[in-house]
Amino acid sequence: GAGVSQSPSNKVTEKGKDVELRCDPISGHTALYWYRQSLGQGLEFLIYFQGNSAPDKSGLPSDRFSAERTGGSVSTLTIQRTQQEDSAVYLCASSPGGTNEKLFFGSGTQLSVL
Amino acid sequence: QQQVKQSPQSLIVQKGGISIINCAYENTAFDYFPWYQQFPGKGPALLIAIRPDVSEKKEGRFTISFNKSAKQFSLHIMDSQPGDSATYFCAATNAGGTSYGKLTFGQGTILTVHP
Repeated sequence: GAGVSQSPSNKVTEKGKDVELRCDPISGHTALYWYRQSLGQGLEFLIYFQGNSAPDKSGLPSDRFSAERTGGSVSTLTIQRTQQEDSAVYLCASSPGGTNEKLFFGSGTQLSVL
Repeated sequence: QQQVKQSPQSLIVQKGGISIINCAYENTAFDYFPWYQQFPGKGPALLIAIRPDVSEKKEGRFTISFNKSAKQFSLHIMDSQPGDSATYFCAATNAGGTSYGKLTFGQGTILTVHP
């Protein structure tokens, strides 16, 4: 596809359940980011993958959050034992990396924890 | 020290007017300052960005003004159009220390341009 693809677009889950959110970056982009956008708030950095380097996990809010990137392409963000405060839009972005500054964002996954 | 403070939260402008959104930061290590535009149901898209070695950057109707000593930067939208109605986010990062994409975002400004 031409852009960053995220699935599902909407996810409703019950408190305590685990969820997996998927991101397909633009082909050839080496850098991949996850951000969280809570209602009426700015974006909050979660995690960053660059090529084969160890990911920068400094933004993950708790050990219930984890992410992986397989084969340098698709990424999955996993939230275990979801809580109501996890409700937000989870945005994925990719970039060519290096000195190329531009982030290309997907449309996000709206997560609602009941 | 990682915060970026953005104002106003919302802004209403008449068509043809000038929209001004302001941001302030604390971290003097920040060296890259982009603005992103977000329409409802979409992810943010890069609008324009500036580095601290220049005081102003203009692209079409969009201008960033940067004041390094005051640690402030602003977005000016000239001849505002209804199609500019969106949420605008300022952001900052220490690109030299981490990456261009590990951004600290402001809280956002909802811009409404009336016809």
